[in-house]
Amino acid sequence: GAVVSQHPSWVICKSGTSVKIECRSLDFQATTMFWYRQFPKQSLMLMATSNEGSKATYEQGVEKDKFLINHASLTLSTLTVTSAHPEDSSFYICSAGAERNEQYFGPGTRLTVT
Amino acid sequence: GQQVMQIPQYQHVQEGEDFTTYCNSSTTLSNIQWYKQRPGGHPVFLIQLVKSGEVKKQKRLTFQFGEAKKNSSLHITATQTTDVGTYFCAGQAGGTSYGKLTFGQGTILTVHP
Repeated sequence: GAVVSQHPSWVICKSGTSVKIECRSLDFQATTMFWYRQFPKQSLMLMATSNEGSKATYEQGVEKDKFLINHASLTLSTLTVTSAHPEDSSFYICSAGAERNEQYFGPGTRLTVT
Repeated sequence: GQQVMQIPQYQHVQEGEDFTTYCNSSTTLSNIQWYKQRPGGHPVFLIQLVKSGEVKKQKRLTFQFGEAKKNSSLHITATQTTDVGTYFCAGQAGGTSYGKLTFGQGTILTVHP
């Protein structure tokens, strides 16, 4: 159990366009989902906490107008990178909060902005 | 804000040797979690420690949580090539930041056969 999917697994887009990444908890309901960003050989940096039915809570330094998060249901959260630039290229990983505070991670989305 | 420091950043061992990674938080934690990320993969939950001084074992892996709930360690006995990956500790504070994890920098483990 506790499977989290993420789509797409990789995407290449042109500078200035927007990209939407989906995160789904497949076999459990998650009232809270988290979005992380990871650069090569670095740790995971929390971008925002997404709560179903309410606005996301963004970490300091993360532009909420650039990284739009929607948590429309208990099994789906989306991250939209708006007006993407090459510096937004990264590995984006979501996780879904489960019981006992554990988090189950999706497989990640590798974004390359050209 | 809360910071979680993890050392060493890299560790190269021969197969069969032991390995330990250490984690230290700037603040008292409600719990600490450990994750493993294989090269090219995503973090996979290993364990959660909640109690002061807690020690848990999973086969060759031993996890400890310090008495002050600010530090933790992961020890692997007799490493195998399948242990290769990055091991992250992640601390969780209580209160309004419930659920939010602060990750350490990770320790990249390489095991030479």
